[in-house]
Amino acid sequence: DAKTTQPPSMDCAEGRAANLPCNHSTISGNEYVYWYRQIHSQGPQYIIHGLKNNETNEMASLIITEDRKSSTLILPHATLRDTAVYYCIVSKVNNAGNMLTFGGGTRLMVKP
Amino acid sequence: DAGVIQSPRHEVTEMGQEVTLRCKPISGHNSLFWYRQTMMRGLELLIYFNNNVPIDDSGMPEDRFSAKMPNASFSTLKIQPSEPRDSAVYFCASSQITEAFFGQGTRLTVV
Repeated sequence: DAKTTQPPSMDCAEGRAANLPCNHSTISGNEYVYWYRQIHSQGPQYIIHGLKNNETNEMASLIITEDRKSSTLILPHATLRDTAVYYCIVSKVNNAGNMLTFGGGTRLMVKP
Repeated sequence: DAGVIQSPRHEVTEMGQEVTLRCKPISGHNSLFWYRQTMMRGLELLIYFNNNVPIDDSGMPEDRFSAKMPNASFSTLKIQPSEPRDSAVYFCASSQITEAFFGQGTRLTVV
């Protein structure tokens, strides 16, 4: 699976949008971009995933560049509860499921 | 569904003892993963099952670690003998093709 690069940490003001970048320049055509987050001491939680098109759900939006070499996770109105480590993962999906390899992630601190 | 259930939540054991961690995946999920998390190494994938068959165990650190999935509703991760460097939080996750759901983890301390 392709590697990802994320900034180690970011701050965001409560109520503002949090934009978390991820570089995946070696992504291949059949690999998806996944985002998970881990709130202190809990198991990672799925946020969103996409292949080519931008995606939105109740938690976040995922913007993937046209060349698919980078993406941005957007939390539109960050709250204190969004403080967590956010992981960007690139993975193939097939009938045998998908193997998720976690990197260092971005530690997002939402401040009042 | 109650989600992925792991037991025990906490385990403290003496070096040299056998440790067994247990996982019940979400019903209907066909993939199961075991991860280990430490401050130094982050989240590491240990082993991955699909339809109860081990697909990739390249992350298993050494022969002291073994994992089984005797049926679709149960998996174990065993460490024998345990060592202090095995102290970590161990997570189990299950998925059906795409989204993976993680359990709350087992915090293992080997003294």
